[in-house]
Amino acid sequence: DTGVSQDPRHKITKRGQNVTFRCDPISEHNRLYWYRQTLGQGPEFLTYFQNEAQLEKSRLLSDRFSAERPKGSFSTLEIQRTEQGDSAMYLCASTPADGQETQYFGPGTRLLVL
Amino acid sequence: AQSVAQPEDQVNVAEGNPLTVKCTYSVSGNPYLFWYVQYPNRGLQFLLKYITGDNLVKGSYGFEAEFNKSQTSFHLKKPSALVSDSALYFCAVRPPNTDKLIFGTGTRLQVFP
Repeated sequence: DTGVSQDPRHKITKRGQNVTFRCDPISEHNRLYWYRQTLGQGPEFLTYFQNEAQLEKSRLLSDRFSAERPKGSFSTLEIQRTEQGDSAMYLCASTPADGQETQYFGPGTRLLVL
Repeated sequence: AQSVAQPEDQVNVAEGNPLTVKCTYSVSGNPYLFWYVQYPNRGLQFLLKYITGDNLVKGSYGFEAEFNKSQTSFHLKKPSALVSDSALYFCAVRPPNTDKLIFGTGTRLQVFP
């Protein structure tokens, strides 16, 4: 079991560019979550999938943000027209299908928007 | 509004001494409660959780936490701190009828030799 993986680990982009992050959950975990963590704060929930269905979205997820999990395995988070305020660590987590309720987190993708 | 409070930005303790990292929450109903640890430039690592049952739960690396319903608290404890325990600790709650976690702002634990 290799844990949750995220790619890339770091991303530097210019304001106005689009970026896409990928998350691969632990094998056979059917629930996948995205969080955002800014400096000095705890992670904040963005969105959540059960298999390929996106079940909940935070108000933090503006229309510039979109997340997908097309085959119920990996997920992508895209940010369009990035702004400096988007600079943060983007964390992905997954949960087993057996209802253990523990979310296992990946190492995160650190985004810097210049 | 649902929230989690970690009143101490930093806790300093000498190696070998007991440590406590405080957490209180404001959530309706019976939430699930979690502690995670974060090392520099790393993701969150699960330590322990309370779902139901015994108020004292034991987790990884010798940590434990005590759930107190009347005080809506879930303090993290360890009988004897190690220098390697130095990290950022987050308390989180999962409110009823949702799968999202609400995190506190974190407490930096510094264990000095």
